[in-house]
Amino acid sequence: SQQGEEDPQALSIQEGENATMNCSYKTSINNLQWYRQNSGRGLVHLILIRSNEREKHSGRLRVTLDTSKKSSSLLITASRAADTASYFCATVLLGANSKLTFGKGITLSVRP
Amino acid sequence: GAGVSQSPSNKVTEKGKDVELRCDPISGHTALYWYRQSLGQGLEFLIYFQGNSAPDKSGLPSDRFSAERTGGSVSTLTIQRTQQEDSAVYLCASSLIYRQGNSPLHFGNGTRLTVT
Repeated sequence: SQQGEEDPQALSIQEGENATMNCSYKTSINNLQWYRQNSGRGLVHLILIRSNEREKHSGRLRVTLDTSKKSSSLLITASRAADTASYFCATVLLGANSKLTFGKGITLSVRP
Repeated sequence: GAGVSQSPSNKVTEKGKDVELRCDPISGHTALYWYRQSLGQGLEFLIYFQGNSAPDKSGLPSDRFSAERTGGSVSTLTIQRTQQEDSAVYLCASSLIYRQGNSPLHFGNGTRLTVT
């Protein structure tokens, strides 16, 4: 079974709105990462948050991590049509060297 | 600089044939990963290399799958006697190694394998 599970599976919003995507995981982690995948392409790293961090920002992205609830959220503010893609959370399990385990992803559609 | 390069980008093969998929990581990246992505699914971990050795092969689905890495650089994923369920996009990624996975992965665009 997947270590990370994203929610919702699909999200459709209007350009300019904020998009919030959630990820839950099952076991203790070293860090959690978010990636984006455009259709037919590889994944692109967005942001990494360590287990001792609670919030991190990068441009229009804000990621939070709640280790007590084993969950993370990715917020994209002022969305653009170019943000349309699939978004994946990935975790590095504690003690699992560098192996990243991915969820099934969230499909985000931003309508112009 | 150049990113992760995978070849071929598309491969159509007949059931029962062997295929080789190639990955050229970013120069200087000591870690290399292979993942498989089926339609509408997440990424399934296959194997991880640190240098030329593979500390974690736990994701290889069967003994028909093997991978090697030479010179700490290029990696080849080989699938023998392909089956239709092997059809998927095979993604390669590389990263710098520093402690406990705190290094983002850089992905190639994948090889789309179709077994007919």
